Amino acid sequence: LAKTTQPISMDSYEGQEVNITCSHNNIATNDYITWYQQFPSQGPRFIIQGYKTKVTNEVASLFIPADRKSSTLSLPRVSLSDTAVYYCLVVPISSGSARQLTFGSGTQLTVLP
Amino acid sequence: GAGVSQSPSNKVTEKGKDVELRCDPISGHTALYWYRQSLGQGLEFLIYFQGNSAPDKSGLPSDRFSAERTGGSVSTLTIQRTQQEDSAVYLCASSGHLQETQYFGPGTRLLVL
Repeated sequence: LAKTTQPISMDSYEGQEVNITCSHNNIATNDYITWYQQFPSQGPRFIIQGYKTKVTNEVASLFIPADRKSSTLSLPRVSLSDTAVYYCLVVPISSGSARQLTFGSGTQLTVLP
Repeated sequence: GAGVSQSPSNKVTEKGKDVELRCDPISGHTALYWYRQSLGQGLEFLIYFQGNSAPDKSGLPSDRFSAERTGGSVSTLTIQRTQQEDSAVYLCASSGHLQETQYFGPGTRLLVL
């Protein structure tokens, strides 16, 4: 299982760029890296997914180095509404056990005014 | 279109009683997942259904937990003889396949007194 490790919490101020790094040392060749966001009293919501280098969408960017043993979620110019828990998830591309979909404890991001 | 729905949104029960939690996945999604989230914790995988294949039950914590998926659509998670440690939010998600983005429901908050 590609276990992930993230910081438990992070604080930031409105307007700043926030980078959350996830370690996944045992990632397999065919695994994707996926990030979810969870607000209180809601289910997680997909943010971004990537395999290597850089992926960008309207919400965030995902940076993945060549060795793929870590990834960094970048949130540009955060606002108070970005306060949430962010989960890094390693998803097997090939058929595998759903048991491998380990969300972990995530990173609590708190954006301060 | 409609997202994943779950019912009830809240459930309070007495220790020893059985409870049933329902999940209606997004139409056309063949993969369905159940997770448990205790207060302040990450998501704990419980069970996974994919089409007509045998479910992956590797995450069920005890034989008091079971789940069914009828007609490849609606799923019911049953907890027999509930215990206080079963108190948590039970989240359901669906996707087109194991490797695809999961769409989560709002969850059922279970409180066992």
